Amino acid sequence: AQSVTQPDIHITVSEGASLELRCNYSYGATPYLFWYVQSPGQGLQLLLKYFSGDTLVQGIKGFEAEFKRSQSSFNLRKPSVHWSDAAEYFCAVDEGSGGSQGNLIFGKGTKLSVKP
Amino acid sequence: DAGVTQSPTHLIKTRGQHVTLRCSPISGHKSVSWYQQVLGQGPQFIFQYYEKEERGRGNFPDRFSARQFPNYSSELNVNALLLGDSALYLCASSRSPGSTNEKLFFGSGTQLSVL
Repeated sequence: AQSVTQPDIHITVSEGASLELRCNYSYGATPYLFWYVQSPGQGLQLLLKYFSGDTLVQGIKGFEAEFKRSQSSFNLRKPSVHWSDAAEYFCAVDEGSGGSQGNLIFGKGTKLSVKP
Repeated sequence: DAGVTQSPTHLIKTRGQHVTLRCSPISGHKSVSWYQQVLGQGPQFIFQYYEKEERGRGNFPDRFSARQFPNYSSELNVNALLLGDSALYLCASSRSPGSTNEKLFFGSGTQLSVL
């Protein structure tokens, strides 16, 4: 069965510092991978997705992620964090075939705090 | 255009009761998925519906059921509520499943508390 691991439960970074959130997946074939962000009391917003092709994926809000098959990883990065980036971040893999996107398996999330 | 709307936003029930949660997808979206998010965890897939047909089901007991209406709105029903059903229930919609170009849009959820 597919699974997603986010090793870091909580990360604190200074505003303006760089950020990397880790995500490891378990899946036999080529995975469809996603990063979502959730602000308190809000639903999930898609930051970026990887289906195939270029392993470095650009997303919204200045985020990017790199797919590394050899490490089964899909880490999220941002060169300079803003206070508004404080939120919870979820990595997800698609369970269905063909990238159905309706049946996602999520990691447990990483809460990001930003200090001035 | 309105996003995915869910009602109610908050709900308090007691053990053994039944609850119905509602979701209206974005106009033009025909696929609806339901997720349960327990505090401190990631969302867990419950159901996906497309064109009124169940397309996928997660590992949830038969107390959980759902349906999709001709206008593509959806209901999630939970019978015989347990304390462990307390969670944020999220609905998500997309135009259709199976396309890599599709994007899943989430509602803000219904916060269910079971006492």
